[in-house]
Amino acid sequence: DQQVKQNSPSLSVQEGRISILNCDYTNSMFDYFLWYKKYPAEGPTFLISISSIKDKNEDGRFTVFLNKSAKHLSLHIVPSQPGDSAVYFCAAGYGGATNKLIFGTGTLLAVQP
Amino acid sequence: DTAVSQTPKYLVTQMGNDKSIKCEQNLGHDTMYWYKQDSKKFLKIMFSYNNKELIINETVPNRFSPKSPDKAHLNLHINSLELGDSAVYFCASSFWTGENGYTFGSGTRLTVV
Repeated sequence: DQQVKQNSPSLSVQEGRISILNCDYTNSMFDYFLWYKKYPAEGPTFLISISSIKDKNEDGRFTVFLNKSAKHLSLHIVPSQPGDSAVYFCAAGYGGATNKLIFGTGTLLAVQP
Repeated sequence: DTAVSQTPKYLVTQMGNDKSIKCEQNLGHDTMYWYKQDSKKFLKIMFSYNNKELIINETVPNRFSPKSPDKAHLNLHINSLELGDSAVYFCASSFWTGENGYTFGSGTRLTVV
C-alpha cells in the first residue's frame, strides 16, 4: 500500500536545463509535503516543503508545485547543476505536523555537464 | 558539529546476535525517529518518540526495542537478528510541528550474515 509514489526511478538532464521530478499520492488527508535530497552514504537532507493550502513554493532554484485535485506534486530545479545529482525523495505528512512522514521510493537525478 | 549522529555507521553481525544502534541530536528537537530503508529503497518509519514518550510504533517486530533516555537520544536495540533485518537504519529528529521536516543522521548499514 504505497501512499506516495515516484514513478520515475531515474532522470537525466543537461546542466543548465530544467529538472522536473514528479510525485503522486493517494491519501487526501495529507496536508504537508516535502522534498528531500540524498547523496550516497548520507542521510536525506530537507530541500523544500509545501502546505496543502498553497499550490506553489519557491526557494532559489527550487520550486515545488502542488495540484491537490490530481494528488500530484512536482519539484522543478532551474537551472540544474552537476551538484544536484542525487536521489530525490518526496514525502507527505498528516495533521499539519511533520511527524510520521510517508516517503516515496526516490528518483535518481543525474545532471550531465 | 554533527546535528544528528548515529553510531556505528556500519554493522556486520551474525544471525541470532543482539545489537544496538545509538542516535544523538544536538538541535534541541523534541521528537526523534527511526526509519528503515530496505533493499527496495523504501524509507519506512519504525518508531517516533516525543519528549521521551513513544508516539509511533509501526508494526515492527518485538525484537526491535527503542529506548529514549532523554529527548536528545534515541537508541535502537535489536534482539535475535535475522537476515531480513539487513537494511540501512536512519535516525532523524524534528520539532513536533514545523516546516522543515526532519533532520536525518547519515545512516547505519546493518548486514546480517
